[in-house]
Amino acid sequence: DIQMTQSPSSLSASVGDTVTITCRASQSISSYLNWYQQKVGEAPKVLVYAASSLQRGVPSRFSGSGSGTDFTLTISTLQPEDFATYFCQQTYSMWTFGQGTTVDIK
Amino acid sequence: QVTLKESGPVLVKPTETVTLTCTVSGFSLSNPLMGVSWIRQPPGKALEWLAHIFSNDERSYSTSLKSRLTISKDTSKSQVVLTVTDMDPVDTATYFCARIRAHIVVPTGYYYYMDVWGTGTTVTVSS
Repeated sequence: DIQMTQSPSSLSASVGDTVTITCRASQSISSYLNWYQQKVGEAPKVLVYAASSLQRGVPSRFSGSGSGTDFTLTISTLQPEDFATYFCQQTYSMWTFGQGTTVDIK
Repeated sequence: QVTLKESGPVLVKPTETVTLTCTVSGFSLSNPLMGVSWIRQPPGKALEWLAHIFSNDERSYSTSLKSRLTISKDTSKSQVVLTVTDMDPVDTATYFCARIRAHIVVPTGYYYYMDVWGTGTTVTVSS
């Protein structure tokens, strides 16, 4: 199976910061990479699909990039509602998720 | 409005088989660009994809759990059912179902993502 490794596992940031989360695949997955946000007690919500396509209704401060094995999710100008856990997911083969990155308040 | 709702037992005993049902509304399970996936999340841990099924009955299972999972659908009832055999305490988790959408890029192919999720149902495995 394809392993997805996110870094960091957690980070502390302030409102207004720019945050970057990295996801690395154990083999090339082209652009078959999605990003989800999950808040405590809630179901995940898709932010970005196909590595860089922003889901309808998601604020433009979220952006995704990368292809092959290395991907990033960038949150520009962090807002209070962005403190959450973020997961990457590959859909190239036998879908798998990363272990998650928790963004909390500094 | 698209919704998915999971249902199933709250508590099961080790070695038992659990049947989870996902009832969908606002879209059809016969839509060729959509499917339904099951995902679980143990308390405080990461998401784990389990299985999915598409309108043409194409199914796929997690490699590590394949021998214990069966996914099926009843289009007339708008339901997708997941059975998990031989339950163990490590299977204690919140089980989510989610709609799969296909984003088509010509000529590259289909990019799938889960755009609407149910609220999840918590299953505890304990004797």
